[in-house]
Amino acid sequence: AQKITQTQPGMFVQEKEAVTLDCTYDTSDQSYGLFWYKQPSSGEMIFLIYQGSYDEQNATEGRYSLNFQKARKSANLVISASQLGDSAMYFCAMREEETSGSRLTFGEGTQLTVNP
Amino acid sequence: EAGVTQFPSHSVIEKGQTVTLRCDPISGHDNLYWYRRVMGKEIKFLLHFVKESKQDESGMPNNRFLAERTGGTYSTLKVQPAELEDSGVYFCASSHNWLKRGYTFGSGTRLTVV
Repeated sequence: AQKITQTQPGMFVQEKEAVTLDCTYDTSDQSYGLFWYKQPSSGEMIFLIYQGSYDEQNATEGRYSLNFQKARKSANLVISASQLGDSAMYFCAMREEETSGSRLTFGEGTQLTVNP
Repeated sequence: EAGVTQFPSHSVIEKGQTVTLRCDPISGHDNLYWYRRVMGKEIKFLLHFVKESKQDESGMPNNRFLAERTGGTYSTLKVQPAELEDSGVYFCASSHNWLKRGYTFGSGTRLTVV
C-alpha cells in the first residue's frame, strides 16, 4: 500500500485564485511529520511547510497552509492567491519517527500550472 | 550559508560504465541523505549518513551502488556497473538534526543510462 498518495497528477489554477493539492497518508506511528516540497523546473527541492502529528493547529507559512485532518489521514496543501511562480511540481512527504527514523517517504507529486 | 551542492547536474553514460555522483552538504550538517526519483515515480530514500557512518542504508537497491562519506563532509554515490533502470534524478539532502525544517535538498543529478 502507498504510504503517501497524491491523487492529482496535474492541477491548473488561475492566477490570484486559491488551490488545494491533496495528500493522504498511511501510518501506524503515533509520532510523525508531514512535509510539502516544491520543485520548480530548475530542479531544486524547496521546503514549504511542516505539520507534526501532535500539532493541534494547522501549519501556515505565508501563502501556504496545511489542512491537517488527522482522523482522515489527510494533509492537503492550500496555496492562496496563486502566482505564476507557483507553477511547479509539489511533493507531499512523511517522516515516520517511530518506525523509519528521519528518512522521508514521498508521494508521486502534483504538477501545478498557474495560468495568467 | 551555501546550500547543498550536487555535481554533476547531468550525466549521460552507457550501460556498464561507472558513474560517481557527489554531494556537498551544508557545512556543519551531520546528517546526509540520498534519494532518487526514477522516471515519473515517487522520490525514494536510498541511505542516510550521520557524519561518516551509515545510519540507514535500507533503500540501496543493490550492491552496484556504493555510497561513502569520508571525513563526514561530502559524500559520493557510485554506480558500478550502471544499468538502464538506474536512470533518474538523484537528490542529496542534509540536516543539522532532523527537526521540523531540517532537510535542505540539492538540485539533484539527472543520470541517464543509455
